[in-house]
Amino acid sequence: EVRLVESGGDLIQPGGSLRLSCAASDFTVSNNFLSWVRQAPGKGLEWVSVIFAGDNTYYADSVKGRFTISRDNSKNTLYLQMNSLRVEDTAVYYCASRLEGLWFGGFDCWGQGTRVTVSS
Amino acid sequence: QSALTQPPSASGSPGQSVTISCTGTSSDVGGYKYVSWYQHHPGKAPKLMIYEVSKRPSGVPDRFSGSKSGNTASLTVSGLQAEDEADYYCSSYGGSNNVVFGGGTKLTVL
Repeated sequence: EVRLVESGGDLIQPGGSLRLSCAASDFTVSNNFLSWVRQAPGKGLEWVSVIFAGDNTYYADSVKGRFTISRDNSKNTLYLQMNSLRVEDTAVYYCASRLEGLWFGGFDCWGQGTRVTVSS
Repeated sequence: QSALTQPPSASGSPGQSVTISCTGTSSDVGGYKYVSWYQHHPGKAPKLMIYEVSKRPSGVPDRFSGSKSGNTASLTVSGLQAEDEADYYCSSYGGSNNVVFGGGTKLTVL
């Protein structure tokens, strides 16, 4: 069974940096499109970023230039490096994927999420 | 990219049907067949209920159905059951390798 497990969430001050991880099992990160999706407290879901199997990366305007998505194929793990964090980045961060078909066709595999709190 | 518009709440009694709307623009919902719906119980991972406007993943009851007309997509839950009570989110491909979500609808089973 495909499993995605996020980690790395923490309480961090504004302007700080944090790296989130998403470890995959029964799923090869190098061969698949992987996204980060977040949910701020009391708000809806927000797509954050995607990395393609060919290493192309794309970002939501709200995080462009501050966040970097990457993966380590040897560890079968996805990452999200978050710099210049803002209070509005406070959210539960999920990694998600579509196991077959186009990456934007509907995320059918999700992790349980990791909580990031940006506060002084 | 602006979020898709969903009603904040919807409700129905057990056995009834309820429809949740999701309004976007011609640049997202109206321009692509890639509308999805997710069920989200707080504290759990979101679950894909509908993809490509009206397709159901394996294991999703046929009580859940999706449709689209113009810039508005809809999720209909028929034969409401207590376990359907959750938050529901729509999403759409927005072009240029971007996905946009709706603000979510809290479905209450009365």
